Amino acid sequence: AQSVTQPDARVTVSEGASLQLRCKYSYSGTPYLFWYVQYQRQGLQLLLKYYSGDPVVQGVNGFEAEFSKSDSSFHLRKASVHWSDSAVYFCAASMMGSSGSWQLIFGSGTQLTVMP
Amino acid sequence: GPKVLQIPSHQIIDMGQMVTLNCDPVSNHLYFYWYKQILGQQMEFLVNFYNGKVMEKSKLFKDQFSVERPDGSYFTLKIQPTALEDSAVYFCASSQGLGYAEQFFGPGTRLTVL
Repeated sequence: AQSVTQPDARVTVSEGASLQLRCKYSYSGTPYLFWYVQYQRQGLQLLLKYYSGDPVVQGVNGFEAEFSKSDSSFHLRKASVHWSDSAVYFCAASMMGSSGSWQLIFGSGTQLTVMP
Repeated sequence: GPKVLQIPSHQIIDMGQMVTLNCDPVSNHLYFYWYKQILGQQMEFLVNFYNGKVMEKSKLFKDQFSVERPDGSYFTLKIQPTALEDSAVYFCASSQGLGYAEQFFGPGTRLTVL
């Protein structure tokens, strides 16, 4: 079955530390991959996306993600986090279903808390 | 950047009543979506809509749900009648294409069914 898994429900890091948020997908092909961030009581904002080519993609606010076909993963990274990065991060994959229609499937999200 | 608007931001209604959630998508977008997020849980796809028709819907899109976009105005989600389990935040999204295209999300409407 097609799915997106974010194994870490909560991550806490200190300000200035590096960050990795994990994401794995299950799909027979190569999906289109996205990372969204949701600040409290707001809608989702796109951080970055992967379609093809260079497996490392750069996003906004110093975020980057690396696609791995062999590992079926799309982990999000940041070299040095800021307190304002505290939010919920969603990995999503656009995959074609059995009906031939594309669907954006979300992971369960990772709540990131950055400690001062 | 492009913005999706949702009206109202919060709606409280009694079980059994009808509710309409409104979405003003990005102006040149062709595909429209509704998602449901129960507090603390993941975003779940409800339905997508193109050229006046539902393209695909999930198991969460019950018979009591309907969507429309009359004459290019708001893209609406109507629930009639509502049930307690419909309490959630409903997000509207729009995109220029399918598959590869980024979906732009609204801020959500928090629906509380009493």
